[in-house]
Amino acid sequence: NAGVTQTPKFQVLKTGQSMTLQCAQDMNHEYMSWYRQDPGMGLRLIHYSVGAGITDQGEVPNGYNVSRSTTEDFPLRLLSAAPSQTSVYFCASSYSASAREQYFGPGTRLTVT
Amino acid sequence: EDQVTQSPEALRLQEGESSSLNCSYTVSGLRGLFWYRQDPGKGPEFLFTLYSAGEEKEKERLKATLTKKESFLHITAPKPEDSATYLCAAAVTGGGNKLTFGTGTQLKVEL
Repeated sequence: NAGVTQTPKFQVLKTGQSMTLQCAQDMNHEYMSWYRQDPGMGLRLIHYSVGAGITDQGEVPNGYNVSRSTTEDFPLRLLSAAPSQTSVYFCASSYSASAREQYFGPGTRLTVT
Repeated sequence: EDQVTQSPEALRLQEGESSSLNCSYTVSGLRGLFWYRQDPGKGPEFLFTLYSAGEEKEKERLKATLTKKESFLHITAPKPEDSATYLCAAAVTGGGNKLTFGTGTQLKVEL
């Protein structure tokens, strides 16, 4: 099992550009989520999904879109990048949508100039 | 508003010097309290889940405990390879698997 994989590992964008961060898991997990990690702020939830075709907003959803067409994949789209979106992004997955341990990917470090 | 606070922010220990990290939580109803370890440049790695006050879990030199207001991560006779940032997070009633994270304790264990 590869677990949770994320691509790319690093990305630099100019303000206004769009891009998609990829996330995939091979554990047949129902629940997937996206977090961002900023210094001094802890991990904050952006969007999550409790199964294919079902997504919902987390704490900081503005400027981001998600979709979940398969169980395995949960891409995060930045519509028009802003410097405030400079962060490290982590995807996570869990067996179910109840309070169960989540397994994190290695992260994508994004810089918006 | 649900809140998770970790202390200290940073901790320096000598190898073999036991200590505890604190995670206090103010949440509407706790469903689960999670501990993760994060190494520089990596994603958080799951350590423990605690579900009710009085529960304890152990793994090698680490033991996590839970009360009604806080959780402790006890590190016994730490080694340099235990150096990492330790994160705690809470899942709350009605929140499904959404986690509220603390900002972490950065632990450095020196020879």
